[in-house]
Amino acid sequence: NAGVTQTPKFQVLKTGQSMTLQCAQDMNHEYMSWYRQDPGMGLRLIHYSVGAGITDQGEVPNGYNVSRSTTEDFPLRLLSAAPSQTSVYFCASRGQKNEKLFFGSGTQLSVL
Amino acid sequence: DQQVKQNSPSLSVQEGRISILNCDYTNSMFDYFLWYKKYPAEGPTFLISISSIKDKNEDGRFTVFLNKSAKHLSLHIVPSQPGDSAVYFCAATASGTYKYIFGTGTRLKVLA
Repeated sequence: NAGVTQTPKFQVLKTGQSMTLQCAQDMNHEYMSWYRQDPGMGLRLIHYSVGAGITDQGEVPNGYNVSRSTTEDFPLRLLSAAPSQTSVYFCASRGQKNEKLFFGSGTQLSVL
Repeated sequence: DQQVKQNSPSLSVQEGRISILNCDYTNSMFDYFLWYKKYPAEGPTFLISISSIKDKNEDGRFTVFLNKSAKHLSLHIVPSQPGDSAVYFCAATASGTYKYIFGTGTRLKVLA
């Protein structure tokens, strides 16, 4: 059972480039979410989804897009990367009847 | 305004002694609280949780205490082991919101 899988593990972008961070889970979880972790800021919610076709904004959604076409996948898109988006990104999921979040191993993103 | 606060950025404890990590929250709608442990270059892993209908929950060496009137929870680790050295995050959520708010983390170092 792989759990929550994130790719890539590391990425370097130039300002203005676009990219997609991938997240997949094999636990049939309805809820999926994206967090970013910055020094001294903890984990902050970017976007989340409660099911295929349903997404909503978290605390820090600006500069990021998401979509949820399948239960398994929840990609995070940066349309025009900025240095302020340099961070470690975590994807997390949970089932409908359990509040426990399961996290992926993270993507370390640097925007130059 | 930070709704979940961990006011101690770091804590050092001797092996075998008790580690006490604290967390305060401001939103009275929060009714479920979780603690996560994070090693470098890994995703957070679930440690223990507590519902607002309880004031204590134990799992082996880990105990979480909840004081609803003070809006305060604490994680006790007894006895502390060197392998417990990690960053600990507390998180809070309100049922049905699917939004988890994390604290900024406390770095625990257990000295052998």
